[in-house]
Amino acid sequence: EPEVTQTPSHQVTQMGQEVILRCVPISNHLYFYWYRQILGQKVEFLVSFYNNEISEKSEIFDDQFSVERPDGSNFTLKIRSTKLEDSAMYFCASSTAGAGEKLFFGSGTQLSVL
Amino acid sequence: LAKTTQPISMDSYEGQEVNITCSHNNIATNDYITWYQQFPSQGPRFIIQGYKTKVTNEVASLFIPADRKSSTLSLPRVSLSDTAVYYCLVGDANSGNTPLVFGKGTRLSVIA
Repeated sequence: EPEVTQTPSHQVTQMGQEVILRCVPISNHLYFYWYRQILGQKVEFLVSFYNNEISEKSEIFDDQFSVERPDGSNFTLKIRSTKLEDSAMYFCASSTAGAGEKLFFGSGTQLSVL
Repeated sequence: LAKTTQPISMDSYEGQEVNITCSHNNIATNDYITWYQQFPSQGPRFIIQGYKTKVTNEVASLFIPADRKSSTLSLPRVSLSDTAVYYCLVGDANSGNTPLVFGKGTRLSVIA
């Protein structure tokens, strides 16, 4: 079965630093998403991306966050000036026809902000 | 988006059939019901999706009554490896970008 690939699997950073989380969605997918999950809590939607622009974003996705699809294959989440509360597992997902269809999730990047 | 309610946790012995029921009283006409499975430190994984009646695949069955206000995920003969969190989600399959919203899910523990 095709896979969504995320790198790195673990990222440790100091508070205030910028991090970029990378994802390679499944090649023929058109819709891309970032979710996060704080330890012990539910999976939270951050942002959806379609046709090279953000289509939906949650309250969590403030000016500190940005997404980009720089080269037609990678899909990145940038967090500027990280905070302690940004520590979480970040999941990338993709689908062929939107969120109502089957979403394929990556294995996640565990971000630890110290 | 229709809100879903499901039990917080369930326990089962190996080899038993497990049924997890989800309530979605405000489901809309265009909404589909989708179940995902999540193991610790992994991303959610699609299990099954349906609109009405019964859907079966190699992993599970999904039963949806005529009023569609609830659905039941059935896992036949569970094993220890089925220990995971199971999420019921409701959303319009033609919604394009409207994101799926995960609830707290049902934590299934399978005991030997």
